[in-house]
Amino acid sequence: GENVEQHPSTLSVQEGDSAVIKCTYSDSASNYFPWYKQELGKGPQLIIDIRSNVGEKKDQRIAVTLNKTAKHFSLHITETQPEDSAVYFCAASFGFGNEKLTFGTGTRLTIIP
Amino acid sequence: GAVVSQHPSRVICKSGTSVKIECRSLDFQATTMFWYRQFPKQSLMLMATSNEGSKATYEQGVEKDKFLINHASLTLSTLTVTSAHPEDSSFYICSASRAPGVTDTQYFGPGTRLTVL
Repeated sequence: GENVEQHPSTLSVQEGDSAVIKCTYSDSASNYFPWYKQELGKGPQLIIDIRSNVGEKKDQRIAVTLNKTAKHFSLHITETQPEDSAVYFCAASFGFGNEKLTFGTGTRLTIIP
Repeated sequence: GAVVSQHPSRVICKSGTSVKIECRSLDFQATTMFWYRQFPKQSLMLMATSNEGSKATYEQGVEKDKFLINHASLTLSTLTVTSAHPEDSSFYICSASRAPGVTDTQYFGPGTRLTVL
């Protein structure tokens, strides 16, 4: 089955700096890669996703890049703010008809004011 | 759009009792719903996948007789933890996706904290 590795497990950055979280996946058939943000005691919230037919997607301060050849994808947060502090999970799935998500182990991001 | 709710948000029960958790998609029809379990400071572990009107598919190692899942309509799925024990204490989260072919994005509920005494 699919295996998703996520690094780093914890990340602290100064407010205003950029944060990068990286994930690798094992199954080349995976074609859908969402990123979720989870605040303490809450459910995960989808922040951005990317499909295998594109290499990069951006939404304001958040961007995701995908390298299918190397089987890795990354989350980039620019101009970080205190409210960005949370746990971030990457995931992978085959999509469309087999939507089971395999999650990474999570990254605890702390923004230092 | 794409709001998923769960009820209750927190529940405390005695060992041996059963607890039902509801998951609702509020503004869309969810052909498929998923149930996850999350232990403190850990990732989400998929327990089962349920499709409306059919039996749930459980992940390996998940006892289907202990974790009963019903997906009776396109907006409601329930998870019943039967004969709960302290080791069942956890954060249970559901997610829902729209009809196949529309999108495979999963939208998550806020979670239910179960504590078994």
